[in-house]
Amino acid sequence: NAGVTQTPKFQVLKTGQSMTLQCAQDMNHEYMSWYRQDPGMGLRLIHYSVGAGITDQGEVPNGYNVSRSTTEDFPLRLLSAAPSQTSVYFCASRQGPGRETQYFGPGTRLLVL
Amino acid sequence: GENVEQHPSTLSVQEGDSAVIKCTYSDSASNYFPWYKQELGKRPQLIIDIRSNVGEKKDQRIAVTLNKTAKHFSLHITETQPEDSAVYFCAASINYGQNFVFGPGTRLSVLP
Repeated sequence: NAGVTQTPKFQVLKTGQSMTLQCAQDMNHEYMSWYRQDPGMGLRLIHYSVGAGITDQGEVPNGYNVSRSTTEDFPLRLLSAAPSQTSVYFCASRQGPGRETQYFGPGTRLLVL
Repeated sequence: GENVEQHPSTLSVQEGDSAVIKCTYSDSASNYFPWYKQELGKRPQLIIDIRSNVGEKKDQRIAVTLNKTAKHFSLHITETQPEDSAVYFCAASINYGQNFVFGPGTRLSVLP
């Protein structure tokens, strides 16, 4: 079991570029989420999914898109990167209703110039 | 929506002393409260959690207490050790974990 994996580990983008952060889990978890972590602000929810084909917005969704075509994968797309999106991004998953324990991936550090 | 506050933002204790971190939440519908530990450069890891139908939960040196009336919950670490040094985050969620709101974190330093 690899758990929750994320790629890349680190990325530098120029303003206006687009990219996709990858997240995968091999635990057959229903629920997956994307967070961003900024200094002094904890983790903020960007988007989440409660199953394949179902996604919803979190606290800070603007500038990001997600899709969930399979149970395993939950990619996060930055449409047109901005310096304000410089952050560390964590993907997380949990089994489903009644199973609250959330497992985090190792994170992707993104720098937008 | 839910708002979670966390205090203090930094905490220094001597090795062997106790540490207490407090969080308050705003949405009375929140029913699940996890605590995460994050070491520098690492991912957050769950250390203890509590559901709203329980007032206290303990796991070795770590305990969490919940006061639903006052809408606050606390993390207690006894007999602190240098390896307890990290950033600790509280969170609150409705529907037992469908959607989490995190506090801003507490940086705990355990001094030898």
